[in-house]
Amino acid sequence: DAKTTQPTSMDCAEGRAANLPCNHSTISGNEYVYWYRQIHSQGPQYIIHGLKNNETNEMASLIITEDRKSSTLILPHATLRDTAVYYCIVRVDTGNQFYFGTGTSLTVIP
Amino acid sequence: KAGVTQTPRYLIKTRGQQVTLSCSPISGHRSVSWYQQTPGQGLQFLFEYFSETQRNKGNFPGRFSGRQFSNSRSEMNVSTLELGDSALYLCASSLYVNTDTQYFGPGTRLTVL
Repeated sequence: DAKTTQPTSMDCAEGRAANLPCNHSTISGNEYVYWYRQIHSQGPQYIIHGLKNNETNEMASLIITEDRKSSTLILPHATLRDTAVYYCIVRVDTGNQFYFGTGTSLTVIP
Repeated sequence: KAGVTQTPRYLIKTRGQQVTLSCSPISGHRSVSWYQQTPGQGLQFLFEYFSETQRNKGNFPGRFSGRQFSNSRSEMNVSTLELGDSALYLCASSLYVNTDTQYFGPGTRLTVL
């Protein structure tokens, strides 16, 4: 069962930062937060993940609150190709199954 | 390194038939998971295999089964197909289990008529 809550949809102007929030208030101490995105029914694409500390890679930054009950994915300079459904997932610590919620449909507007 | 590959990419079957889908993980990856994606239910976990053993199973009927071979390639089978089995079936691989990132394949689009 999904353990995360995300807004259904968001818009972002091209070139601006896209900030996608996620609530995971029941997260356990050893559960990771993962972000994936899916473009038009392709396979989900890994973006970033974290446990406690903020993380950054070439695609995005992940900000996790100190109490770990929420996080924000930041796409620093959104492009039209970033239009996709973004999934925030709390990884169950006993296996590889991901429980996907409904995700956030991000539309980047020219 | 080549990504996760799935075959076939598209498939059309009729009710009552059975189908087998194939997944080749990224080279060196030993864990394979399967997911079903439908417009109504979203992405749902089917099962996970590691070292030829099923480790976890989602809430799907026994018509859905899978296996993993010694080279980590995996197959899933759906018997007695129903219209509701029409979906995008996704395979994901990872090096190990529990702490590893999963990488998804492009999926197999199954249509049941």
